[in-house]
Amino acid sequence: QVQLQESGPGLVKPSETLSLTCTVSGGSVSTNNYYWTWIRQPPGKGLEWIGYVYFNGNTNYNSSLESRLTISVDTSKNQFSLRLNSVTAADTAVYYCARDSMVGSINHFDFWGQGTLVTVSS
Amino acid sequence: DIQMTQSPSFLSASVGDRVTITCRASQGISNYLNWYQQKPGEAPNLLIYAASRLQIGVPLRFSGSGSGTDFTLTISSLQPEDFATYYCQQSYSTPFFGQGTKLEIK
Repeated sequence: QVQLQESGPGLVKPSETLSLTCTVSGGSVSTNNYYWTWIRQPPGKGLEWIGYVYFNGNTNYNSSLESRLTISVDTSKNQFSLRLNSVTAADTAVYYCARDSMVGSINHFDFWGQGTLVTVSS
Repeated sequence: DIQMTQSPSFLSASVGDRVTITCRASQGISNYLNWYQQKPGEAPNLLIYAASRLQIGVPLRFSGSGSGTDFTLTISSLQPEDFATYYCQQSYSTPFFGQGTKLEIK
């Protein structure tokens, strides 16, 4: 059973950088057809896809965040990471890491971390 | 971006009821549509992928249908553990979620 676990600071100051890491166990980030994804959910609101990284380092980002965003993978540690620069209060959310699996040509998020709340506040 | 609109946003029902949630895409997405259930304080859980394929371990009372722009999630007989928020999500292009449907106990 694949498990994902987010880690990182729960409080970030405005204008600073939000950094989170997702550690994957029970499976390898180097497996074909899996896209390692970040999704966030502001308190009381819906889900927003942030972006993904593939094991070879290829990425795809939400265009609304792209200028501030870096997602990377470390295959030696079986981890992937998120960096979001110049944060504001609007970036306060529960951040989830998830596995995006491709079956046939259909992608879906089949495994999720438990989520970690990141608050942007001075 | 392909937007997803769910209806209703809120739904009250009783144990044993049959309920249907609708999701409409702003343009055709074939069957690139997934459904998730989220309970308070938990991560979303995949129920249905490719519009109608039941994820392993999900009870048979859940079913999905549709293609193109209009999709439905049906729960045939509500159980107490089904009261939650449900999201649709298109995977035809940049992933986008519907706004959610909160299913409450009547």
